[in-house]
Amino acid sequence: NAGVMQNPRHLVRRRGQEARLRCSPMKGHSHVYWYRQLPEEGLKFMVYLQKENIIDESGMPKERFSAEFPKEGPSILRIQQVVRGDSAAYFCASSPPVHENEQYFGPGTRLTVT
Amino acid sequence: GQNIDQPTEMTATEGAIVQINCTYQTSGFNGLFWYQQHAGEAPTFLSYNVLDGLEEKGRFSSFLSRSKGYSYLLLKELQMKDSASYLCAVRETGNNRKLIWGLGTSLAVNP
Repeated sequence: NAGVMQNPRHLVRRRGQEARLRCSPMKGHSHVYWYRQLPEEGLKFMVYLQKENIIDESGMPKERFSAEFPKEGPSILRIQQVVRGDSAAYFCASSPPVHENEQYFGPGTRLTVT
Repeated sequence: GQNIDQPTEMTATEGAIVQINCTYQTSGFNGLFWYQQHAGEAPTFLSYNVLDGLEEKGRFSSFLSRSKGYSYLLLKELQMKDSASYLCAVRETGNNRKLIWGLGTSLAVNP
């Protein structure tokens, strides 16, 4: 059973460009979470999604950031018009519909904005 | 408000026992998690406590006291590979599964 997949692992964007981060949850997992981790800081919750639904986006910046988890395909975290402050590691985690106590993390995407 | 406190750094010796504490103040409580994160890697799940008491899993144990808002992670027979950051996270009540994370405790295991 493959783990949570994220791609790309490293992404470099210039200021003003768009960044698209992809997350494929573990097989059988229908819940996806996105976190951001800045250097020397803790993980910050961004958004929690189920298939075709955003359940909690209280951690998402109101502008430029959006997330989706379509019926088919990976979950996408989209950052428009990136700025230097968006440089961080973005982790995706997934959990099954039951046995919700564990969130399995992907390897992360390290975004660098130049 | 929401607050999770852990020591920033700890040092221990190979073969020894170390206890990493976590105190929390959250608007609700529906479980406490410990994760391990090696530098540059993803967090990996270690333990989950929702009821008071001790949960043991091999060399790792986790304790919870809900009345005190307190948990600890106990690592026994330390190995060099245990050098990592240990993250404490609390899940709030409600329908969401959002975790509130501490900043992590960086543990260095010396020979």
